Amino acid sequence: GESVGLHLPTLSVQEGDNSIINCAYSNSASDYFIWYKQESGKGPQFIIDIRSNMDKRQGQRVTVLLNKTVKHLSLQIAATQPGDSAVYFCAERGRNAGNMLTFGGGTRLMVKP
Amino acid sequence: DTGVSQNPRHKITKRGQNVTFRCDPISEHNRLYWYRQTLGQGPEFLTYFQNEAQLEKSRLLSDRFSAERPKGSFSTLEIQRTEQGDSAMYLCASSLAAAGNTIYFGEGSWLTVV
Repeated sequence: GESVGLHLPTLSVQEGDNSIINCAYSNSASDYFIWYKQESGKGPQFIIDIRSNMDKRQGQRVTVLLNKTVKHLSLQIAATQPGDSAVYFCAERGRNAGNMLTFGGGTRLMVKP
Repeated sequence: DTGVSQNPRHKITKRGQNVTFRCDPISEHNRLYWYRQTLGQGPEFLTYFQNEAQLEKSRLLSDRFSAERPKGSFSTLEIQRTEQGDSAMYLCASSLAAAGNTIYFGEGSWLTVV
């Protein structure tokens, strides 16, 4: 399938290490944030979300941190596996933006075996 | 498979032709969204429906684009008089109506205009 993100920032990690993917958002009125994983030729796959009244949320092997002061979002993946290799997008939804998600530019995660 | 279903997955068309994509959302989801994604970019919002009503449209949705959801279930996105700049992946997503409900995406329909 076609490749998504030919010129994206790339994070290369060793299998088993932890990965941290960062995202800066622009709208201080955003109240909901989501991380998506996108493999080549596929649609975005939901990973984890967080509301603006929280600063941390944990899932299975993933943690999202939200710093509203500096408008920064991060995704931490523990014990990164080859199957985690993909492009990761953060998305935000403004409080007054209806249901429109605004996506960041994406980061390619490459996991070396 | 109970996820969001899109077809066709790939479409190659000549410039000037019309194309139509179909989306079948997750069955209990009353909100349906269309996004467009080009290589190296994140998805961009085009429009969304709640049931059969089209409630929001992006400025990206030119008058050559039309989306419908006639019975509040499946949706179609038609592009008339396609241009090379329309080449992209067209993503459909769905969710429940309540605020903060997760938006789930389909696998997308790739359009190549030659």
